[in-house]
Amino acid sequence: QSALTQPASVSGSPGQSITISCTGTSSDIGGYNYVSWYQHHPGKAPKLMIYDVNNRPSGVSDRFSGSKSGNTASLTISGLQTEDEADFYCASYRRNNTLGIFGGGTKLTV
Amino acid sequence: EVQLVESGGDLVQVGGSLRLSCAASGFGVTNNYMSWVRQAPGKGLEWVSVTRSDGSTSYIDSVKGRFIISRDKSKNTLFLEMHSLRADDTAIYYCARDKTIGRYGLDVWGQGTTVTVSS
Repeated sequence: QSALTQPASVSGSPGQSITISCTGTSSDIGGYNYVSWYQHHPGKAPKLMIYDVNNRPSGVSDRFSGSKSGNTASLTISGLQTEDEADFYCASYRRNNTLGIFGGGTKLTV
Repeated sequence: EVQLVESGGDLVQVGGSLRLSCAASGFGVTNNYMSWVRQAPGKGLEWVSVTRSDGSTSYIDSVKGRFIISRDKSKNTLFLEMHSLRADDTAIYYCARDKTIGRYGLDVWGQGTTVTVSS
């Protein structure tokens, strides 16, 4: 099962905005609105930031937003804060797969 | 409080077996889609197995025939039985609840339990 494609790293300064992309195919991202995003600080449990492309769970800051265009989903973080520094993973449903698919992960440096 | 607490990770030899547990509180494991996700050292997240509210299960190809996911309603606990362990099963294993019922939005995660398979 090939992973979704994410950039290995992105960086930004406090207060800036950044966008992390997640590219798949018409069998996953392009075909369904079932994309989620996770923030993972090393040594801690991953945290759901976005589900169903652009929905935020209760308690997640509105500085985090999700979108999708064609086969590519994006996570945008506005007003970067130092505590945002973490690894970020996208995930998606994939047709004919019985498990979800993760992206390779993106290391965000603030 | 809604939470998951894992246990059972250990150092085991190649070919050995292990059973991971994931105790839930604040919700029922049998009423939800539950996943096991792992992260090998220096690698990304990888879905290992899913059990659904209808009792059906799925596994990543590399663990089919070796791992078994199950649930105990009376203990409100999720399990992952691991057999014929290989070095590449070495990872932190997380259990998680899928709030989106099959759309892979995992909203509650355990703290992780470490499995090390050595030769």
